[in-house]
Amino acid sequence: AQKVTQAQTEISVVEKEDVTLDCVYETRDTTYYLFWYKQPPSGELVFLIRRNSFDEQNEISGRYSWNFQKSTSSFNFTITASQVVDSAVYFCALSEAENTGFQKLVFGTGTRLLVSP
Amino acid sequence: EAGVAQSPRYKIIEKRQSVAFWCNPISGHATLYWYQQILGQGPKLLIQFQNNGVVDDSQLPKDRFSAERLKGVDSTLKIQPAKLEDSAVYLCASSTRQNTIEKLFFGSGTQLSVL
Repeated sequence: AQKVTQAQTEISVVEKEDVTLDCVYETRDTTYYLFWYKQPPSGELVFLIRRNSFDEQNEISGRYSWNFQKSTSSFNFTITASQVVDSAVYFCALSEAENTGFQKLVFGTGTRLLVSP
Repeated sequence: EAGVAQSPRYKIIEKRQSVAFWCNPISGHATLYWYQQILGQGPKLLIQFQNNGVVDDSQLPKDRFSAERLKGVDSTLKIQPAKLEDSAVYLCASSTRQNTIEKLFFGSGTQLSVL
């Protein structure tokens, strides 16, 4: 069975601090996809990144970076120089690679990030 | 581009009552999903449609939940009768493919409180 664990329930930082959100996953599949979504107070889930299991390259997008380590089944997310607008709940998710191409997302329980001025 | 529209935004009902949620996906998106997000948890897939057909409803509690997408566009999710444990946010998502990769777009959800 697939499972995603986000052990950090809530993190509070002061603006401009760096913060890392942890994600650990379990799957028996050899091919799978990992995601991060942001859920601001408005409620909608906003896609941040998708990574397939064969691509362990770390990725950087502006202030965001992701560290995928297959050896430890982790896909951690770092925000550099955090801003108040980064305050949201962040979800890590896992999807098996189906022949249909559809994503059956299994979400973690989320990490609430509070960035204060 | 208009996003995924959901209504109502909030709904409060008493247990054993019925309730319905509506979702209008992004124009042209053939795939539509309903997710249930209980407070403090991540979203859980309830049902997936491809056009007007059901692809996966394995996690839908069919004794009380039903969903339809008759014309392959809008969708409704119904709960009848509601239980206290149905209190949650119900999220709708639609998807498109970009270079064969499916990309999901979520609505803001309907927050249901069952008293």
